[in-house]
Amino acid sequence: KNQVEQSPQSLIILEGKNCTLQCNYTVSPFSNLRWYKQDTGRGPVSLTIMTFSENTKSNGRYTATLDADTKQSSLHITASQLSDSASYICVVSEGGNTPLVFGKGTRLSVIA
Amino acid sequence: KAGVTQTPRYLIKTRGQQVTLSCSPISGHRSVSWYQQTPGQGLQFLFEYFSETQRNKGNFPGRFSGRQFSNSRSEMNVSTLERGDSALYLCASSGQFRGGGRPDTQYFGPGTRLTVL
Repeated sequence: KNQVEQSPQSLIILEGKNCTLQCNYTVSPFSNLRWYKQDTGRGPVSLTIMTFSENTKSNGRYTATLDADTKQSSLHITASQLSDSASYICVVSEGGNTPLVFGKGTRLSVIA
Repeated sequence: KAGVTQTPRYLIKTRGQQVTLSCSPISGHRSVSWYQQTPGQGLQFLFEYFSETQRNKGNFPGRFSGRQFSNSRSEMNVSTLERGDSALYLCASSGQFRGGGRPDTQYFGPGTRLTVL
């Protein structure tokens, strides 16, 4: 069964610290993996998209990595800010442009 | 450029009723996808439309249906509502999958919060 597992479920860090969120998937065939940020009460916002051949993608303070062999991805947030408090969702597509399998997300809280 | 808009933002219905939600994609985008988000299940894919044709469908019962118009605006309909249909319904638009290379970024709307009593 195609699944996307994210860890941890929730995380609290101090402002200015770094953190890493994990995503493991069993989706096959694999087309692309995306990370989204979702603020409470709002729609998700795309952070990165990686295809099979890419192993690192950055977007400002966000850096995603992908190991297609082990089917693992991580999202690293550098120098966290209070505005980084949100849910981070990992999504894997079997093909095409439609995300089909979603992780449950990691709830990040950044505190002063 | 205006973002994805969804109407209405909030809706309260009773069991057995039906509901229609609307989504206007970013100008020029031809692909519209719909998702259901609940605290228990997270985000789940409903369906995708491209140039008025349903291109992909998730694992939802036939009570959930959708369509896309020639101007790329899309509607989804849920008939015979059940309490379990209470959720945030999100619409996302994108340009076009270019095939063999980069998938397009999807842009999400703010969602319609549906409550079924």
